[in-house]
Order: sequence, then structure tokens, then C-alpha cells
Amino acid sequence: AQKVTQAQTEISVVEKEDVTLDCVYETRDTTYYLFWYKQPPSGELVFLIRRNSFDEQNEISGRYSWNFQKSTSSFNFTITASQVVDSAVYFCALIPRGGGRRALTFGSGTRLQVQP
Amino acid sequence: DTEVTQTPKHLVMGMTNKKSLKCEQHMGHRAMYWYKQKAKKPPELMFVYSYEKLSINESVPSRFSPECPNSSLLNLHLHALQPEDSALYLCASSQEAGQGLITNEKLFFGSGTQLSVL
Repeated sequence: AQKVTQAQTEISVVEKEDVTLDCVYETRDTTYYLFWYKQPPSGELVFLIRRNSFDEQNEISGRYSWNFQKSTSSFNFTITASQVVDSAVYFCALIPRGGGRRALTFGSGTRLQVQP
Repeated sequence: DTEVTQTPKHLVMGMTNKKSLKCEQHMGHRAMYWYKQKAKKPPELMFVYSYEKLSINESVPSRFSPECPNSSLLNLHLHALQPEDSALYLCASSQEAGQGLITNEKLFFGSGTQLSVL
């Protein structure tokens, strides 16, 4: 069984502040994928990143960066210089690569409000 | 831009009605999904189709009936729903890694159908 925990239910920041969204996961699988999805008010979930458990390199994409630490089972997401358009619910998710139930397990989501 | 199109965007139905939700993608994806999302909750998987065959049914009540007429279309037929079935229903698709396997590729989601059951 796997579990994804996003302890921050809601975060509010002022534009241009940096913000970090936490994600902690549990899985017995040695090989797995981690994802972040963004859900703006329009409803659709937008893929942001996929990370293989073998690849612990941090990744940066524009204002977004991800810190994967296998030792602490965390996959945190940082937005630098936040903008109002970043306001959304962000979901962290996990899927094992091995056998058994192979469907995404989502965290409960973090609602980010960026104030102008 | 989302490449998964869902219709209708909003639906209000009574408990005795029969209605259908539609989903369409033209990305050549061979896996398609239905998720249910209640307010302030994460999406919950309902069904997975792989190569137009139902591969996962997450113990969904029979009042929800999925259908995959072809590789581009996915329907969800609704009958005798309950008020607690009111939710956002999301369709998604992904490339398929192999026959019957659930892909680890990213999912492309539609904007969903906001369903209200009265």
C-alpha cells in the first residue's frame, strides 16, 4: 500500500514571495514514480513533473523547482517569485512501478493563494 | 491547452434520470480513465480502459456504467444516481506502456463535468 501526505491544507502568500509545498510519501515498492499536478479553478489537472525513484537529482523549470530526497521520502515543490496565476490546488501523487495496484495515489492537495 | 475534451461542463439531474458524460481525445492515447473528485478532495480513480477494454473497476456502483466505443472516446452512463454522487467527474488519458499495463506516463486531464444530483 502507498500513501501520500500533503500536510499543508492551504497556503497564502503575497506575489513575488517564494513558497514551498511539502509532500511526504510512503511505499513498500523500491521503484516508483512521483508526480506533481496543478489544478487551477478551471478544473483540469495539469501535469507539472514526473520523477523516477532512481533519479534523485533536483530539477528546475523556470520558477519551479523540485527537491527529491529519498532518505526522508519527500518530494517538495518550490515556486520562486510567485505570481497570481500560480493560485491553484497542487497535488502530489505516487505510482509504483512494480506489480500490484498500479494507479496513481494522490495526496490531499495544497491550496495555494497568491495575493497581488 | 487541454487536449482532452469533456462534455457537458455542467449537469444537473434527478435521481431517476439517465444521462451520459462524454470524453474525447485525439492524441492517440490508448489508456483512458474516469476519476471522481469531491470538493476539496483529491481525485479518486473509478475506471481504467486499456486498448478499449476495461482493465480496472475500483468497485464502483453499477449505477455508473463506463463505455469505450473506440480509442478516442470514453463515455460514462449514469442512471439512478444519489445526491452523494454529486462531484466533479474528470476524464484523463495517457500513452499505454503495453497491453493491459497501467502506464507510468503523465496523465492528460479534461476540465471535468460538474455533476449535481437532486
